Amino acid sequence: GAGVSQTPSNKVTEKGKYVELRCDPISGHTALYWYRQSLGQGPEFLIYFQGTGAADDSGLPNDRFFAVRPEGSVSTLKIQRTERGDSAVYLCASSLWTSGGEQFFGPGTRLTVL
Amino acid sequence: KNEVEQSPQNLTAQEGEFITINCSYSVGISALHWLQQHPGGGIVSLFMLSSGKKKHGRLIATINIQEKHSSLHITASHPRDSAVYICAVRWQDTDKLIFGTGTRLQVFP
Repeated sequence: GAGVSQTPSNKVTEKGKYVELRCDPISGHTALYWYRQSLGQGPEFLIYFQGTGAADDSGLPNDRFFAVRPEGSVSTLKIQRTERGDSAVYLCASSLWTSGGEQFFGPGTRLTVL
Repeated sequence: KNEVEQSPQNLTAQEGEFITINCSYSVGISALHWLQQHPGGGIVSLFMLSSGKKKHGRLIATINIQEKHSSLHITASHPRDSAVYICAVRWQDTDKLIFGTGTRLQVFP
């Protein structure tokens, strides 16, 4: 079956612009996670959803970052007033359930802020 | 100090060599994951373990909960094993993963 998909695969934007990154989890997976990976680093947790609600958003770096999952499937990560330091690969993962389920990762969206 | 530390950061090997990558963590965990990331590619989950040992093909993962340490072994390494291997832990009572910085492995023919 289809894995986790993310769009766009690459996004180049200018400092100060607004961007949206989309994640389509594996069908039926209730948990969805967002991570950010800077060059040469391991991924860092941003937020995760259980169903439609954000169960833990403690990794969002500031209030410019926001994520939604209105119907419990597709999720959108939104970044306002982008800064050059936001440049990274944004990874999405989903799992069948939380509390120990294996996470399946998408290919990521490479965001470049000029 | 990172909660999850991996060693070595970089590793080169000749085809056929036995590879060991280590991961140490400083917090109580409910599970530990080993992940593989190819250049320009996505992340693939190799193992998820909370005790003992798991084996899949030429890959073996072990964990010692008391010592807060895990190892990933690759037997009979092959150039296609070249990738970044990442250790990630799931903290107790949370569902988020904390990642190590990865070990870059290059296997030469």
